Amino acid sequence: DQQVKQNSPSLSVQEGRISILNCDYTNSMFDYFLWYKKYPAEGPTFLISISSIKDKNEDGRFTVFLNKSAKHLSLHIVPSQPGDSAVYFCAASAGTDKLIFGTGTRLQVFP
Amino acid sequence: DAGITQSPRYKITETGRQVTLMCHQTWSHSYMFWYRQDLGHGLRLIYYSAAADITDKGEVPDGYVVSRSKTENFPLTLESATRSQTSVYFCASSESIMMGVYEQYFGPGTRLTVT
Repeated sequence: DQQVKQNSPSLSVQEGRISILNCDYTNSMFDYFLWYKKYPAEGPTFLISISSIKDKNEDGRFTVFLNKSAKHLSLHIVPSQPGDSAVYFCAASAGTDKLIFGTGTRLQVFP
Repeated sequence: DAGITQSPRYKITETGRQVTLMCHQTWSHSYMFWYRQDLGHGLRLIYYSAAADITDKGEVPDGYVVSRSKTENFPLTLESATRSQTSVYFCASSESIMMGVYEQYFGPGTRLTVT
């Protein structure tokens, strides 16, 4: 039972354009959401997060949108850069210290 | 070194052998976690610990044992390794959400191959 789903295993975007990574969840108890970025042979690193009391959070080129009614969140990267090429995981917390991770989306940004 | 470290980074072992993966953090974070990453499954929680001498099962605990005698260390032991335990293992640490902190900080991972 996958509570956090990333239905797109991969995404390819041209440099300078917008990258949109999507994440769906099923547990209505989730109240905090995070995005992690992972390069090969490295551990995941925290990117950006959002509380369920908000619908948008921005940090530089990265914006996370939360649609609670649709149980959907998305990560927008504008403009995309080659260094953004990585695997992106969304994660959620249901008010506990445990995070539930999605399966990841591999983003490739090409020149 | 400051941060969170894992050792070894790569390990090949045979079926039935016992193997221990080490994790060490220097932040004095109360929580520590072990995940495994497998294609198509993302990151799955194996075990976690809220403090020294307090551990609990995650999503996929079977075949693994943990201990936490000191706050900074959280070793993961495969008592009798199986091929299905071939994976990349990540250790992470965090403060408690009681302090308003949700982010977990990950080590570089250990790639384990069981032959």
